Amino acid sequence: AQSVAQPEDQVNVAEGNPLTVKCTYSVSGNPYLFWYVQYPNRGLQFLLKYITGDNLVKGSYGFEAEFNKSQTSFHLKKPSALVSDSALYFCAVRDPTTSGTYKYIFGTGTRLKVLA
Amino acid sequence: NAGVTQTPKFRVLKTGQSMTLLCAQDMNHEYMYWYRQDPGMGLRLIHYSVGEGTTAKGEVPDGYNVSRLKKQNFLLGLESAAPSQTSVYFCASSWVAGGYNEQFFGPGTRLTVL
Repeated sequence: AQSVAQPEDQVNVAEGNPLTVKCTYSVSGNPYLFWYVQYPNRGLQFLLKYITGDNLVKGSYGFEAEFNKSQTSFHLKKPSALVSDSALYFCAVRDPTTSGTYKYIFGTGTRLKVLA
Repeated sequence: NAGVTQTPKFRVLKTGQSMTLLCAQDMNHEYMYWYRQDPGMGLRLIHYSVGEGTTAKGEVPDGYNVSRLKKQNFLLGLESAAPSQTSVYFCASSWVAGGYNEQFFGPGTRLTVL
């Protein structure tokens, strides 16, 4: 079955330190991978995506993610965390079993808390 | 350019009541989606639409109906609300183009069923 896993419910990091939010996937074929961020009482906002090409993808607000095919991972990273990065982060992958109609599978989310 | 808007923002229903959630997008997107968000479960797809006049079931369609009479609008209906439908509902839209385009989300509707 196609799936996305975010193994950590919460990640705590001190402001100024690097952060990593983990995501692993299990899909057939080439994965299309996405990261979204959700601030309190808001909808999800797109951060970045991997479709093909360079394994290191850069996105909004200084975030980047590294696609690792052998480890089936797509971890979100930022070199220096800000308190304002505190939010709920979702990893998503296109469901490849629905050819021609595009659906996405979301992880359960990881709450990032950046401590001042 | 308002993006994706949802109406209402909050609603409280009694068991058995019905209601319709409205989603509107002004980006001329072909695809529209309805998700529900529950603690610890992420986003689950209820129904989606690949174009005006078309709808399809997602992961958790039971108890919901949808309609897409106009390209810019996607309606989610609850015919007989149940407490299990207490959730936050998000609408999203996207371009078609092979499934590699990101989704744009609305601000959500928080629904409580008593």
